[in-house]
Amino acid sequence: EAQVTQNPRYLITVTGKKLTVTCSQNMNHEYMSWYRQDPGLGLRQIYYSMNVEVTDKGDVPEGYKVSRKEKRNFPLILESPSPNQTSLYFCASSLMGQGEELFFGSGTQLSVL
Amino acid sequence: QKEVEQDPGPLSVPEGAIVSLNCTYSNSAFQYFMWYRQYSRKGPELLMYTYSSGNKEDGRFTAQVDKSSKYISLFIRDSQPSDSATYLCAMKAGDYKLSFGAGTTVTVRA
Repeated sequence: EAQVTQNPRYLITVTGKKLTVTCSQNMNHEYMSWYRQDPGLGLRQIYYSMNVEVTDKGDVPEGYKVSRKEKRNFPLILESPSPNQTSLYFCASSLMGQGEELFFGSGTQLSVL
Repeated sequence: QKEVEQDPGPLSVPEGAIVSLNCTYSNSAFQYFMWYRQYSRKGPELLMYTYSSGNKEDGRFTAQVDKSSKYISLFIRDSQPSDSATYLCAMKAGDYKLSFGAGTTVTVRA
């Protein structure tokens, strides 16, 4: 089954404790992206990657890191999480990142205490 | 001002009603217009995709784009309880970046 898989689905952590949210897609997509979703603000792009080893900032990159060492994986790293990073996070992928359909994972609900 | 503004809702309608969802935008370079549907505790899924102005129908769903007014709409005819979800408009110019509306939550009452 074609899908984008994120883990974990739920995560509670404390301020300053490094964490990684994994994302993997099995559709051989070139483009991958991370979004956060907050009430009233919608989906905001954190980082994106057009292909392996190429990443760039989205609208809200502060406090986040990403890497794209393999085509299928695009982990999101929070080196020192803060409470304002409490949010619902989505990984997404598309074939080429040229406006075609975005496929989303099921989301990761992160709470930073 | 946000690049994409979406009617905040929420909307609650009886089964069989017509649902009307709207977004306005400020960037005249937007060419591609999409509607995503997001069920509770799930990621968004593409529902409708249109390019340029005009109407597009797909079953009970109709997407309208009016580029002169910078306004897009989604209509759901004969709404069903299974249509209860959050609907997100999205749009992009010729590059990679997709801009989303904040979403409208719709509840269809049986």
